[in-house]
Formats: sequence, structure tokens, C-alpha cells
Amino acid sequence: DQQVKQNSPSLSVQEGRISILNCDYTNSMFDYFLWYKKYPAEGPTFLISISSIKDKNEDGRFTVFLNKSAKHLSLHIVPSQPGDSAVYFCAPGEGGSEKLVFGKGTKLTVNP
Amino acid sequence: NAGVMQNPRHLVRRRGQEARLRCSPMKGHSHVYWYRQLPEEGLKFMVYLQKENIIDESGMPKERFSAEFPKEGPSILRIQQVVRGDSAAYFCASSPQRDTQYFGPGTRLTVL
Repeated sequence: DQQVKQNSPSLSVQEGRISILNCDYTNSMFDYFLWYKKYPAEGPTFLISISSIKDKNEDGRFTVFLNKSAKHLSLHIVPSQPGDSAVYFCAPGEGGSEKLVFGKGTKLTVNP
Repeated sequence: NAGVMQNPRHLVRRRGQEARLRCSPMKGHSHVYWYRQLPEEGLKFMVYLQKENIIDESGMPKERFSAEFPKEGPSILRIQQVVRGDSAAYFCASSPQRDTQYFGPGTRLTVL
């Protein structure tokens, strides 16, 4: 039973446009949410996070939105750049537990 | 400030052999986590350790797998009598406290 779903295995966008990556979860106990970016043959790199007390967090070109009632979060990248091409993982965690639960990832390709 | 170090980066073992994966956390980090990633899957939590203590091993297979984080030296993930299904990428992460987890580059284990 998947607690975290990233329903789009892949996404392709043009350079300069917005990339929107989505993540749905079922566990209402998740109270912090992290996004990681991963290049082939490397470890995941932390990108941005949001806690459940917020509905938006912004860091440069990256913004994460959280809709707790819908159990949905999204990562917006604008403007998208070719160097953003990677696999993006949504990874929520539950207060009191240290383990992150990863989605299967969305492979983003930004075309020049 | 060096990141999380893992070695070896690639490890090949024959069925029945032992695999030892090492992880040195970032300087100042006392929390270590191990995750496993199978092909086309997200990362799956295995175990969370602090110095000399296993805090949560709920994701560890009951047999053949063990982990330690001694007072001195790296954390070790040990897999005894490896089988083909153990072939995966194993990632270690560290954090200073209950905080964002920073990942190493991973060890890719291949069991022949």
C-alpha cells in the first residue's frame, strides 16, 4: 500500500516555462514534507521542505505548496532550466518518527 | 565541509558472500539512516541509528541484515549470505538532530 504517490513518472517542459510536480499522500500523520532531486548514479540532494503548519514555502525558483485537506503537495520550478533535469522525489515524514517515506519519483526533462 | 561519504561506491558479490557497506556522516551529525532503492522504485527506509544505538530498525529485513554505528568510525550496514534480490542501491543519510537528512552518493550492490 503506497502511502506516497507521484502519479506522473515523467514530465517534459521547455526551458523558461514552469514545471509542476505533484505528490499525493494517504497518511494524515505526516507533518513535514521534503523534496529531493536525484541525478543518475548520485544520492538524493535536498531541495526544499515544508511543515504542515504552512501552505507555501519558497526558495528562489522553487516553491512548494501544501494542501492538507486534499493530502496533496506540489513543487513548482520557474523558470525551468536544463540543469533541473533529474528525478524528483517527494518524501514526507511523521513527527516522532525519523523515517522518510519516498514516492517513486518523477523524471523531469527540461528541453533547451 | 565534506558531505556524507559512502564506500565502496560499487560492490559485486557472489551469492552467499557477505557485503559490508560503510557510511561516514557529515561532520557534526550524530544521526544516521540507511535506505535501499530497488530499480524503478523510490527509496525505502531500513534503519535509523545514533551513536552506539539502533533507534528504529522497522525497515530492516529480519534475517541476514544488521547495522551498527559505533562510538568511533563509520556506520556499517552488513548483509550476510547475499542473494540476487539484495542487488540494489543503498543510500546512507545523516542529520545533526531531528532535521533534514542529507544523503551520500550510495553504494550499488550487485549480487551475481
